[in-house]
Amino acid sequence: KQEVTQIPAALSVPEGENLVLNCSFTDSAIYNLQWFRQDPGKGLTSLLLIQSSQREQTSGRLNASLDKSSGRSTLYIAASQPGDSATYLCARGGSSNTGKLIFGQGTTLQVKP
Amino acid sequence: DTGVSQDPRHKITKRGQNVTFRCDPISEHNRLYWYRQTLGQGPEFLTYFQNEAQLEKSRLLSDRFSAERPKGSFSTLEIQRTEQGDSAMYLCASSPLPRRGNEKLFFGSGTQLSVL
Repeated sequence: KQEVTQIPAALSVPEGENLVLNCSFTDSAIYNLQWFRQDPGKGLTSLLLIQSSQREQTSGRLNASLDKSSGRSTLYIAASQPGDSATYLCARGGSSNTGKLIFGQGTTLQVKP
Repeated sequence: DTGVSQDPRHKITKRGQNVTFRCDPISEHNRLYWYRQTLGQGPEFLTYFQNEAQLEKSRLLSDRFSAERPKGSFSTLEIQRTEQGDSAMYLCASSPLPRRGNEKLFFGSGTQLSVL
């Protein structure tokens, strides 16, 4: 069974800290790994997509890495801001190219001013 | 508006009633997906379409659920004889056809269903 796990479930940090969110997955035969942001009561916003042949992707203060051999991905947020407060979800694309994603349960981040 | 649009945003219904949700994807996006999300969990895949063809359905999609995309544009998701366990956020997403495995999904804001 393909599973995605995110630890911790919740995280609170002071503004300005650098932080890392973790995502682990079973079955190394993934197609891609995506990170999303979700604000309360809202839909998901795609942040970064890493193809299976890539090791990392960067966008602004965000950097996502992928290690298929260990079944892990990390999302690094530099110089966190209160506006970064949200739930962050990772999702793996299956071995077939359908866009059918398997999500983790998310990490809820609170950045305190 | 170039985003994915879902209607209604909220739906409250009584157990046993039928409900229908609508999703308008980003124009030119061939693929359309339905996901369901309960509180504190990540979204779970329900089904997806490529143009008007429904290509895959999750076993989560019982026979009370039906989805259509008749003209390859908007889609509807109908739940018949709703049960309290159907209470969730129903999310729609769309994407273009994949090229070289680069396929981001664009999500709508969802329809929050409450079954009393």
